[in-house]
Amino acid sequence: GENVEQHPSTLSVQEGDSAVIKCTYSDSASNYFPWYKQELGKGPQLIIDIRSNVGEKKDQRIAVTLNKTAKHFSLHITETQPEDSAVYFCAASIPGGSYIPTFGRGTSLIVHP
Amino acid sequence: DSGVTQTPKHLITATGQRVTLRCSPRSGDLSVYWYQQSLDQGLQFLIQYYNGEERAKGNILERFSAQQFPDLHSELNLSSLELGDSALYFCASSVLDDHYNEQFFGPGTRLTVL
Repeated sequence: GENVEQHPSTLSVQEGDSAVIKCTYSDSASNYFPWYKQELGKGPQLIIDIRSNVGEKKDQRIAVTLNKTAKHFSLHITETQPEDSAVYFCAASIPGGSYIPTFGRGTSLIVHP
Repeated sequence: DSGVTQTPKHLITATGQRVTLRCSPRSGDLSVYWYQQSLDQGLQFLIQYYNGEERAKGNILERFSAQQFPDLHSELNLSSLELGDSALYFCASSVLDDHYNEQFFGPGTRLTVL
């Protein structure tokens, strides 16, 4: 099955800095990569996703890049704000079968004002 | 607010007991997923139902079972509880059973087994 590794487990930045979270996956058949943000006391919420037919996708301060050859993808958050503080999960999904995403272990992002 | 509701929010019980967690998906969503989130295991997929039928199974223990009812709400039953079952249990729903469907997560049920 698919295996997703996520780094770092904790990331502390100053407000206004950029934050980068990296994930690698094992199954080259994976072609859908969503990112979820989980705030304290809440369930995960999809913030951005990317399909394997594109290398980069942006949505305001958030961007995701995908390198299929290296089997890794990254989340980039620019101009971080205290409300970006949360746990971020990457995931990878293989087409066919059950379409269930395999999640990374999560990154706790702390943005200091 | 994702539109997915879960009850109860918190549950404290003893080892050996049985509990039922309930999930109501977003209006119109046919697919329901159950996940377990613990500190050392991250977010683990347990089971998926689509329009009342079991569609996929993950790392779900034999002591756990689930079902989806005709009104599409779902219940996760956990029996013979052990200390290690203490975790957050999330329900998620999506419109269809499709590769690119966004999953909407509920607020979770925190289970504590003493």
